[in-house]
Amino acid sequence: DTAVSQTPKYLVTQMGNDKSIKCEQNLGHDTMYWYKQDSKKFLKIMFSYNNKELIINETVPNRFSPKSPDKAHLNLHINSLELGDSAVYFCASSQLWGGSGETQYFGPGTRLLVL
Amino acid sequence: GDSVTQMEGPVTLSEEAFLTINCTYTATGYPSLFWYVQYPGEGLQLLLKATKADDKGSNKGFEATYRKETTSFHLEKGSVQVSDSAVYFCALSVMDTGNQFYFGTGTSLTVIP
Repeated sequence: DTAVSQTPKYLVTQMGNDKSIKCEQNLGHDTMYWYKQDSKKFLKIMFSYNNKELIINETVPNRFSPKSPDKAHLNLHINSLELGDSAVYFCASSQLWGGSGETQYFGPGTRLLVL
Repeated sequence: GDSVTQMEGPVTLSEEAFLTINCTYTATGYPSLFWYVQYPGEGLQLLLKATKADDKGSNKGFEATYRKETTSFHLEKGSVQVSDSAVYFCALSVMDTGNQFYFGTGTSLTVIP
């Protein structure tokens, strides 16, 4: 069983479109995250949710809107896609928020290409 | 602020060579330190971690020791294999910031037969 899964794995779309990426974890964790990895492999946190509540919201354009319908799911919706949004988006989860040494478990990533 | 500085790559080694990837950190609180590995086309996997000074994390022949005096967490392996080819990320988290992760820039390792 996959612990953290994401769909789709690949997403190719035109500028200006709206798209969503879904994430599910079956680990029973309380906290979920979205990261963006750019072409140089640099990873930056975008959002974090704890028990369905937004905890971290880094400086991300408001075209990006996360939604957590329940603790096991954290989806990412992107409006009006731009070329610079092309990246790999990773979902992750951890058991607790704020626990010392909590490991984050990552999904396989969604490779988004905006044309 | 909290940050991680990681040795730039890419690193190319012959099979059975010794590997060191340097990682130093800056943290306002008392961090936990991690090494993650990303194989081509995959997500990140935890390789090892250490949660307090002088702890040594180890897994699959890799080791790293949490050195508070030098604020470092260097990754080492005595004899690398072709299958170790991947990108390695050093990361820290601090309870004061709710366990938010700060990643280094990643070091790409290629091991040639």
